[in-house]
Amino acid sequence: GGIITQTPKFLIGQEGQKLTLKCQQNFNHDTMYWYRQDSGKGLRLIYYSITENDLQKGDLSEGYDASREKKSSFSLTVTSAQKNEMAVFLCASSIHGRVFFGKGTRLTVV
Amino acid sequence: QQKVQQSPESLSVPEGGMASLNCTSSDRNFQYFWWYRQHSGEGPKALMSIFSDGDKKEGRFTAHLNKASLHVSLHIRDSQPSDSALYFCAARSASSGSWQLIFGSGTQLTVMP
Repeated sequence: GGIITQTPKFLIGQEGQKLTLKCQQNFNHDTMYWYRQDSGKGLRLIYYSITENDLQKGDLSEGYDASREKKSSFSLTVTSAQKNEMAVFLCASSIHGRVFFGKGTRLTVV
Repeated sequence: QQKVQQSPESLSVPEGGMASLNCTSSDRNFQYFWWYRQHSGEGPKALMSIFSDGDKKEGRFTAHLNKASLHVSLHIRDSQPSDSALYFCAARSASSGSWQLIFGSGTQLTVMP
């Protein structure tokens, strides 16, 4: 079995701040994803990557950057945190269509 | 409009009862469906997939897919308090090379002891 590790678990930022969320997987999966989960709105795709150094935008990519420098890691940057923004960011990897998720990073912007 | 819509938003069933969750896609390209379950404080975990018309049974869980209407359902028989969680339907395009998995907004299931 494998695991997806997201750091940090909790992130408090200030309005306008640039914030980076990190994700590591030891499944050796090619495809990785970043989703945002807001209460009552399900999971929305921000970015995904089908291989090292590849980046593909999802429906919610505006305001975010991503980086896939190694097969095992995928980072997400909030380019300018919005006040009162509160959400959980979920990293995932997949093989044969089945997606495995980390436990998430909970972001609060004050 | 969301491409994957779920109903109901929330559902309460007594322990031992049957829970039925629904999902409809508005995009005919989405042909592959998954059900995910998320307990509080955890990431979602895959329950089961269904790619062909008809029923697919795994233990107490049965998924049903009707490709003509793009409707998929999940039925949980003999519901247990541990089944209480947020359930997501997810869909993927049948197009070759498609990697996006699109999620619905979820159904919150509560099983009452």
